[in-house]
Amino acid sequence: QVQLQESGPGLVKPSETLSLKCTVSGSSINTNYFWGWVRQPPGRGPEWIVSLFHGGSTYYNPSLRSRVTMSVDTSKNQFSLTLTSVSAADTAVYSCVRGTIFDPFDPWGQGTLVTVSS
Amino acid sequence: QSVLTQPPSVSGAPGQRVTISCTGSSSNIGANYDVHWYQSLPGTAPRVVVYRNNNRPSGVPARFSGSKSGSSASLAITGLQADDEADYYCQSFDRSLSGWVFGSGTKVTVL
Repeated sequence: QVQLQESGPGLVKPSETLSLKCTVSGSSINTNYFWGWVRQPPGRGPEWIVSLFHGGSTYYNPSLRSRVTMSVDTSKNQFSLTLTSVSAADTAVYSCVRGTIFDPFDPWGQGTLVTVSS
Repeated sequence: QSVLTQPPSVSGAPGQRVTISCTGSSSNIGANYDVHWYQSLPGTAPRVVVYRNNNRPSGVPARFSGSKSGSSASLAITGLQADDEADYYCQSFDRSLSGWVFGSGTKVTVL
């Protein structure tokens, strides 16, 4: 059973950089799936952020592309997200996900709330 | 502004049938990308209730069904139960955006 677990700070100051990691268990990252991130601001719907196919393409949400970086560490079976120049609008529950172009995001990590505040 | 449009809310009495629409465009649902539906409850990760337009994962009751036609899709819940009360989101892929898109979300209320 594949499981994803996010880790990282729960509080980030405005204008600083948000950094999160996702640890994958039950599967190698070196598989034919996209690994990525979705966020859900309080009271709002999910928003896809970025997805990466290991050894292949990275797809970005155009509205966030200029601030987002995603990378993979195969030795630790982890992938990470960095979001620069954050503001209060970036406050959300951030979840790591697995998916394909044709399949739903499944599974999801439990999600981690990141609050942007001074 | 979500790429996929859903009604903000639907409601029904226990035992009734409700449907949720998801309207897209020629660059996502109309481009033959599959539609998936999630049930979202506070504090938990979204749960897939329908995948690839009309398939149910194991463990999801047969009361949940999906359909797709043209640039739109629908989720139907028959025999509405109290624990169906949740937010529901559709999701697909958009070739113009080269990325995944979610619907605006629909709150289902059981009266």
